[in-house]
Amino acid sequence: EAGVTQFPSHSVIEKGQTVTLRCDPISGHDNLYWYRRVMGKEIKFLLHFVKESKQDESGMPNNRFLAERTGGTYSTLKVQPAELEDSGVYFCASSLTGLRNTEAFFGQGTRLTVV
Amino acid sequence: AQSVTQLDSQVPVFEEAPVELRCNYSSSVSVYLFWYVQYPNQGLQLLLKYLSGSTLVKGINGFEAEFNKSQTSFHLRKPSVHISDTAEYFCAVRGSARQLTFGSGTQLTVLP
Repeated sequence: EAGVTQFPSHSVIEKGQTVTLRCDPISGHDNLYWYRRVMGKEIKFLLHFVKESKQDESGMPNNRFLAERTGGTYSTLKVQPAELEDSGVYFCASSLTGLRNTEAFFGQGTRLTVV
Repeated sequence: AQSVTQLDSQVPVFEEAPVELRCNYSSSVSVYLFWYVQYPNQGLQLLLKYLSGSTLVKGINGFEAEFNKSQTSFHLRKPSVHISDTAEYFCAVRGSARQLTFGSGTQLTVLP
């Protein structure tokens, strides 16, 4: 069974450009999460989808970030326009619906560098 | 709201020596506790989790952790480390919401 996959693995863009990150969760996982780790600091929650609906987007830093989950399958995270402080590693995770003790499975992350 | 503190950012240890990675948390509600590991160029992998019951939790690769409610700690231990254990380790908690709150990570480097 395929795990959580993220594309691209690395992205280098100039300040002001647009970047779209993609996450394919494990098949059948209704919960999908985005996290970000900036400059060796802690991994921070960005938002949570249940199927195609945003359950919690309290961690989104500002309106330059737009997340979607088409048809409750894969998800995209768009940054437009990108700023230097957006650099970091963006992780996606997915989990089954059920008790909150269900394990979240993580992708390998997308390393975004804004120059 | 919850917070997690990993007291050591870097832990160097010689091969076959024991290791303890420290984690303290704060929360106003009951939490579930997790340790994740990130090997170079890989994603986060669950090492172990505490949900309820026995406070000593065993995970993969010979790691274990002990939940101490009075000290709000969840330290990770291994009696004898290998070179292959070199990785970054993250402590995390989950409270009433479904998302995880992570610590800042501890880089474990096992020296030959």
